[in-house]
Amino acid sequence: EAGVAQSPRYKIIEKRQSVAFWCNPISGHATLYWYQQILGQGPKLLIQFQNNGVVDDSQLPKDRFSAERLKGVDSTLKIQPAKLEDSAVYLCASRKTGNMNTEAFFGQGTRLTVV
Amino acid sequence: QQPVQSPQAVILREGEDAVINCSSSKALYSVHWYRQKHGEAPVFLMILLKGGEQKGHDKISASFNEKKQQSSLYLTASQLSYSGTYFCGTEKGAQKLVFGQGTRLTINP
Repeated sequence: EAGVAQSPRYKIIEKRQSVAFWCNPISGHATLYWYQQILGQGPKLLIQFQNNGVVDDSQLPKDRFSAERLKGVDSTLKIQPAKLEDSAVYLCASRKTGNMNTEAFFGQGTRLTVV
Repeated sequence: QQPVQSPQAVILREGEDAVINCSSSKALYSVHWYRQKHGEAPVFLMILLKGGEQKGHDKISASFNEKKQQSSLYLTASQLSYSGTYFCGTEKGAQKLVFGQGTRLTINP
């Protein structure tokens, strides 16, 4: 079974530029999460999708971050404009929906450096 | 709403035991435990769903208290491969999975 795919693996941009990350979840996983992990901290939930609908985006800085999940499969997370404090690893995870007794599978993440 | 983990860091010699705690101010639907090695994605260890539940495999086990507000992860006779950062993830509903700040475990030979 293929895992969660993310790209790019690394990205370096200047502040005020824009950037986009892509995630392809495991086939059949209706729930998709985006997390921001700052060095030395736990993953912070940014947004949760179920199919193509948003379940929770309470921690997403909506003035600069946006995310979509067209057709309920792939997802993109965008930052525009980026700030220095956005430097972090952005993790995508997917999970089967409807059963609490399921694990979340994580991608390798995208390491963003804003200079 | 983020669960609180303790301790923040543990340093052990190979063969020693460790306990990592995860607590919430409100009752939870479930607790997940993950391990993350440096530069890698978190890897799932186990889920606990029921109050009073205990489960585990090999020398890593976990418990969930009766009130479903606290979980502990037990690592016995630790091996070098157990090194990494351990995260608990908690759910209160709708599969919203939020993580604690992590516990860094270092195992020395």
